[in-house]
Amino acid sequence: NAGVTQTPKFRVLKTGQSMTLLCAQDMNHEYMYWYRQDPGMGLRLIHYSVGEGTTAKGEVPDGYNVSRLKKQNFLLGLESAAPSQTSVYFCASSSRRADTGELFFGEGSRLTVL
Amino acid sequence: GENVEQHPSTLSVQEGDSAVIKCTYSDSASNYFPWYKQELGKRPQLIIDIRSNVGEKKDQRIAVTLNKTAKHFSLHITETQPEDSAVYFCAASITGSARQLTFGSGTQLTVLP
Repeated sequence: NAGVTQTPKFRVLKTGQSMTLLCAQDMNHEYMYWYRQDPGMGLRLIHYSVGEGTTAKGEVPDGYNVSRLKKQNFLLGLESAAPSQTSVYFCASSSRRADTGELFFGEGSRLTVL
Repeated sequence: GENVEQHPSTLSVQEGDSAVIKCTYSDSASNYFPWYKQELGKRPQLIIDIRSNVGEKKDQRIAVTLNKTAKHFSLHITETQPEDSAVYFCAASITGSARQLTFGSGTQLTVLP
């Protein structure tokens, strides 16, 4: 099992460019999430999904869009990148089972916007 | 929404000593409190969690305590070892909220040999 896989691992963008981060999980989890991690601010939830075809806003959704066309994939898009979006992005997945609350994270994607 | 505050932001201890990290939360409806460990350059990983119907939980050298009345919970690491050096995050969520975790800002723990 690969767990949660993110691509790409590193990316440099210029202001105004667009890009998509791909997250794939092979654990058949219902829930998937995108977090961003900035120094001194912990992990902040951008968007999440409770199942195929559904998405919802988290704490910091502005400037991002997401899609979950397949249960195993969760895409995060930046339509017009800004320097404030320079961050490390983590995808995570979780089972819907009530007896577990664990989030399984990917390795992270470091994005720099110049 | 939920707000989780975590202290201290950095903590240095001598190998073999104990370490304590504290968190407070604002939403009294929160009932699930996990702790994640993130080693340098790695992904966060769950180390222990506690639900609101339990006051304390232990797993070998790690324990978590919860005080629902005061809305705070703490991570205790005993007999610290160099491999305990990492950033630790507390978090809170409400059961049924699709596991929307609100994280604290993290504590950099350094265990000095």
